[in-house]
Amino acid sequence: QVQLKESGPGLVQPSQTLSLTCTVSGFSLTSYNVHWVRQPTGKGLEWMGVIWTGGSTDYNSALKSRLSISRDTSKSQVFLKMNSLQTEDIATYYCARDLAYWGQGVMVTVSS
Amino acid sequence: DIVMTQGALPNPVPSGESASITCRSSKSLVYKDGKTYLNWFLQRPGQSPQLLTYWTSTRASGVSERFSGSGSGTYFTLKISRVRAEDAGVYYCQQVREYPFTFGSGTKLEIK
Repeated sequence: QVQLKESGPGLVQPSQTLSLTCTVSGFSLTSYNVHWVRQPTGKGLEWMGVIWTGGSTDYNSALKSRLSISRDTSKSQVFLKMNSLQTEDIATYYCARDLAYWGQGVMVTVSS
Repeated sequence: DIVMTQGALPNPVPSGESASITCRSSKSLVYKDGKTYLNWFLQRPGQSPQLLTYWTSTRASGVSERFSGSGSGTYFTLKISRVRAEDAGVYYCQQVREYPFTFGSGTKLEIK
């Protein structure tokens, strides 16, 4: 069945780079798009970006200068990298297939 | 960016009653293909968001017929018929008409 699982460090130091991995199973990354969405604790959802089946990407313009999404189709993994992290980036980060199937999310804290 | 504005519910809603959530967009969500790109999600406490409907009114796979989306242009409604305890949570609308794909701030549904 379709599964997505986010992984990565739960703690990142201010101004450092966040690196997350979304490992998928039950489908091919060349057939379905994968989005990243984040949610600060107790707040709403923010769409971050998407990697399309062909490998191209689109980003939220508010994050575009800091954000990069890539993939390794052979490993069924999608990667999110965001630099210059600040406390405003504290959130649960989700990956989702076409926004229809979601991972469980990974909580990221920014602190020294 | 397209701003999504959601209405509130008169919580708590008695079990078995109906509830309607409104969502307004700052720009028409009709695309040149004629489809209206509006999604509805439910996020239950402690869980990842779940896609309920897309293209305004098409129910996602496995979603109960008690959930029905409607609307056009810039005004949309999600109706939940015969509400049950499992329907409690926060409902989000999201436009996927243009980047960035923005969410409403969420509408909380409590069941009595």
